[in-house]
Formats: sequence, structure tokens, C-alpha cells
Amino acid sequence: DAGITQSPRHKVTETGTPVTLRCHQTENHRYMYWYRQDPGHGLRLIHYSYGVKDTDKGEVSDGYSVSRSKTEDFLLTLESATSSQTSVYFCAISGGTGELFFGEGSRLTVL
Amino acid sequence: QQQVKQSPQSLIVQKGGISIINCAYENTAFDYFPWYQQFPGKGPALLIAIRPDVSEKKEGRFTISFNKSAKQFSLHIMDSQPGDSATYFCAASKGSARQLTFGSGTQLTVLP
Repeated sequence: DAGITQSPRHKVTETGTPVTLRCHQTENHRYMYWYRQDPGHGLRLIHYSYGVKDTDKGEVSDGYSVSRSKTEDFLLTLESATSSQTSVYFCAISGGTGELFFGEGSRLTVL
Repeated sequence: QQQVKQSPQSLIVQKGGISIINCAYENTAFDYFPWYQQFPGKGPALLIAIRPDVSEKKEGRFTISFNKSAKQFSLHIMDSQPGDSATYFCAASKGSARQLTFGSGTQLTVLP
């Protein structure tokens, strides 16, 4: 298994509270990604990073921010969580060959 | 705006049968077309991938067929097994960052 750890794996929070999800990799890969998975939508890209402090928006970036201060860590922040952000969030990494390696997901419920 | 359309949404196949999942894309700049397999509670994992310079790629029981002019590609699973029961996603990407655009997924059930 690729060395990807997501935390927390499960979280329940209330509308309006801030939430941070963490992705940690031990592969020293350049690219890191955050996707959300919802029934009927597959996986949709939120943000991605192509290096330390280098990030860009994906398809569904509204309401999310990211930071990458170290190669191994990529943080996803929901500044003020809403019920529409209830989802399973997946972090992925890539060395640039095209293959993405996914973590096991973080299930977020916003009440 | 769904750039990769996948069908069917669900598929039930008898053991030993052939499973076929289809995808169509819109962006002609896409140059990498992978299929991912996902088991419940797990992240997706790469199954097989193809680039547009070939029309077919086979790895064991799994084959990708690619039709560049029609902007379509499909996954064929030969001799389907109960252990193949999972959700399958097609995807496409372009550029050096390789951010993938996924289809909506197909839940495959192989009956014993």
C-alpha cells in the first residue's frame, strides 16, 4: 500500500464550525490531491498541489481551502462547514506518472 | 458539466460472464484514460490504463478498448468472478499535474 494516511477517518460536526482534514504521505511524491466522493457523482477534484506552497483549484473548490507547507502534508480546510459538504473525502498522491494512489478516505458528516 | 459520462450505473453478471462498462468523454485534450476499482470502505485503486495512441490494452482478464474518433472507451472483464464485485470508475486526465476527471461509477455485482 502507498504510504498515505488520512486523519481523522470519521468526523461529525455542526454547521458553521471549521474542519481540517489532514493527508500525510511517506512516498515523497510531488503531486497531492483532495477529492470528494458522493453517490451519483463519482469523485470530484476539490484542490490539488504540485509542490510545497503550490496549489490550484479543482472542479468543486468553493467553500474549501488547502495548504501544503511540507512535501508530506496536504491539509484541506472547510472554513465554515455546511450540510452540502457531508461527504467522503479522499486524498491522493502521484509521482507524475499518471497513476494516483488514494488514501482510505475521511467520512465527514455535517449536522 | 460532466466531462466523462459512464454507463451503466449498475451491472449484474453471472460468474464466468463478460462485464462491459462504457465511458464517453468530451475534452479532446485528455491523453490518459485509467480505470479504477473500489471496494467498500477503501480508496480507489488503479486497475488498468490506456493512452490514445493505442486502441486496446489487455492485462489478464481486463481489457480497455479505446475509440478516439468516437471519444469513447470501455472496460471489459472476461470470466467475471465474485471477487470482481466492486465499483468501477473510468477517468481521464491531461497535463503534467494529472488531475483526474472521473465518471460517476458503475457498481458491479458478480453472482456466484
